[in-house]
Amino acid sequence: GESVGLHLPTLSVQEGDNSIINCAYSNSASDYFIWYKQESGKGPQFIIDIRSNMDKRQGQRVTVLLNKTVKHLSLQIAATQPGDSAVYFCAENTGGFKTIFGAGTRLFVKA
Amino acid sequence: DAGVIQSPRHEVTEMGQEVTLRCKPISGHNSLFWYRQTMMRGLELLIYFNNNVPIDDSGMPEDRFSAKMPNASFSTLKIQPSEPRDSAVYFCASSFLARGSNTGELFFGEGSRLTVL
Repeated sequence: GESVGLHLPTLSVQEGDNSIINCAYSNSASDYFIWYKQESGKGPQFIIDIRSNMDKRQGQRVTVLLNKTVKHLSLQIAATQPGDSAVYFCAENTGGFKTIFGAGTRLFVKA
Repeated sequence: DAGVIQSPRHEVTEMGQEVTLRCKPISGHNSLFWYRQTMMRGLELLIYFNNNVPIDDSGMPEDRFSAKMPNASFSTLKIQPSEPRDSAVYFCASSFLARGSNTGELFFGEGSRLTVL
């Protein structure tokens, strides 16, 4: 029979446009948040992180925004490139060393 | 630079067989994590170690799963006996976590894809 799998949200953007990937986290006690990128056949790779005492952090072409009031995290990618096509995960650290990953969002970049 | 090294990359086995997955963390890292990734459940944390000591194994599915870290440069995840529902990609990750801190980038290996027939 057909199995029911995890249907990832998908975002499709044109090359050169900006991408915004959203994530809702679950634990109000989480104080550290990370975005990871996973390309096909590879392990997740760190992109950027943010602590709960900040609401914005910028890296190279990427910005993470944190809204603790509504437990929402977003990743903005400027001038999206074909190499940005991947699955993006937000992750939260719930205390100690425990990092819990969200379901992920698949980003397609159209050339 | 050598990253996290996992072996085997692919394993196909029959139900009931023992499976051992291996991981060599990045030298100097003091924390090691085993994750399982499936389409149904996404990325699940199974167990993590700090300074070779298991800290939290609440994600280990059942007694058929066990993990060890005999030294700072080696860890194993064992499934005995294996079942078809164990089919997944198993990732090992390592990190350096400073004393009193809970923040740190996880460095993942390329994963071990397990298929149990």
